[in-house]
Amino acid sequence: KQEVTQIPAALSVPEGENLVLNCSFTDSAIYNLQWFRQDPGKGLTSLLLIQSSQREQTSGRLNASLDKSSGRSTLYIAASQPGDSATYLCAVRGGQNFVFGPGTRLSVLP
Amino acid sequence: DAGVTQSPTHLIKTRGQQVTLRCSPISGHKSVSWYQQVLGQGPQFIFQYYEKEERGRGNFPDRFSARQFPNYSSELNVNALLLGDSALYLCASSLQGLTYEQYFGPGTRLTVT
Repeated sequence: KQEVTQIPAALSVPEGENLVLNCSFTDSAIYNLQWFRQDPGKGLTSLLLIQSSQREQTSGRLNASLDKSSGRSTLYIAASQPGDSATYLCAVRGGQNFVFGPGTRLSVLP
Repeated sequence: DAGVTQSPTHLIKTRGQQVTLRCSPISGHKSVSWYQQVLGQGPQFIFQYYEKEERGRGNFPDRFSARQFPNYSSELNVNALLLGDSALYLCASSLQGLTYEQYFGPGTRLTVT
């Protein structure tokens, strides 16, 4: 059974810092991994999708990497801004299922 | 283009009742998935439908059922509601299945009293 964990559970940083969010999964037989952002009480916004054959994806200030063999993905956020404050979730697709981690709650202080 | 839409936005039901939640995917998307998100946790996969057929099912009781219509919209039904069914129910659509990027709707907040 696939299990996904995210570290840290919460993070508070001053504006302008570069930061890394971590996602680990137990079963490396995945098709893809997707990072999402969720604002309180809202739906999920897709940030980046990495297929199993890819090592990383970039979008603006975001960069996500994938190491299937070690069961890890990292989301790098450059030059953080207060508007980046949200919960960040990773999810892996394996078989006919899609498993989410519990999320990292990020606060960027002005 | 409109994103994924869900209705209703909020819903309050009593234990034992039945509820139907609705989802319209992004135009051109043929796959719809449903998730349950309890406060403070990540979403849990309930169902995936592609081309009107169930293609995946999470670890949920038979009280949960779903279907997909010819226009690719979908309904999630929950019977005999329990207090523990209170959650945000999210719908996601993708072009052809879970291999493709999923786009989520705003969710339906269900409260069971």
